[in-house]
Amino acid sequence: KAGVTQTPRYLIKTRGQQVTLSCSPISGHRSVSWYQQTPGQGLQFLFEYFSETQRNKGNFPGRFSGRQFSNSRSEMNVSTLELGDSALYLCASSPQIAGETEAFFGQGTRLTVV
Amino acid sequence: QKEVEQNSGPLSVPEGAIASLNCTYSDRGSQSFFWYRQYSGKSPELIMFIYSNGDKEDGRFTAQLNKASQYVSLLIRDSQPSDSATYLCAGALDRGSTLGRLYFGRGTQLTVWP
Repeated sequence: KAGVTQTPRYLIKTRGQQVTLSCSPISGHRSVSWYQQTPGQGLQFLFEYFSETQRNKGNFPGRFSGRQFSNSRSEMNVSTLELGDSALYLCASSPQIAGETEAFFGQGTRLTVV
Repeated sequence: QKEVEQNSGPLSVPEGAIASLNCTYSDRGSQSFFWYRQYSGKSPELIMFIYSNGDKEDGRFTAQLNKASQYVSLLIRDSQPSDSATYLCAGALDRGSTLGRLYFGRGTQLTVWP
């Protein structure tokens, strides 16, 4: 069974640009969550999608957005990039059925904003 | 505010010893807990999850949950140098929750020296 796949693995962007990151969850998993990891703040929740609907959102500005497609693949977008957006962006997938809430992470996309 | 606190370490133990990692949580609504291991430059890897009070064992790993004290721990027996990593504790709202948000601690860095 394939794991969670994130693309691209690495990105370098300049301030003011926008970026789109992609996540393909484990087959059969319907929930996709996104997290930002930085040395200073640790792992912080961005948002979660389930069956194409955003169910939960963390405390990030509106520049951070996402969506989920009917095949459960998800994308997140960051507009007007700032230097502070440099981070490892992690996607996690979960079956999200009763009693099975374990989340499995992809390898992440390391975004560097210069 | 849902928070998970971990002793930041670093924790250093000799090979073969027991490593004890601890975590406390602030919200009694958090009923599911997860331990992730993260090697430097890699994404978090799920080690164990625990929902019920008491101990749960899986190989060299034992997770302990005490809901009355709002305390979670992970014991690693017969520690190996390959166990050297950052260990992340995470909580979720409840076992049957359909909300896929995890609250992460900052992690404890463990070093196992030969």
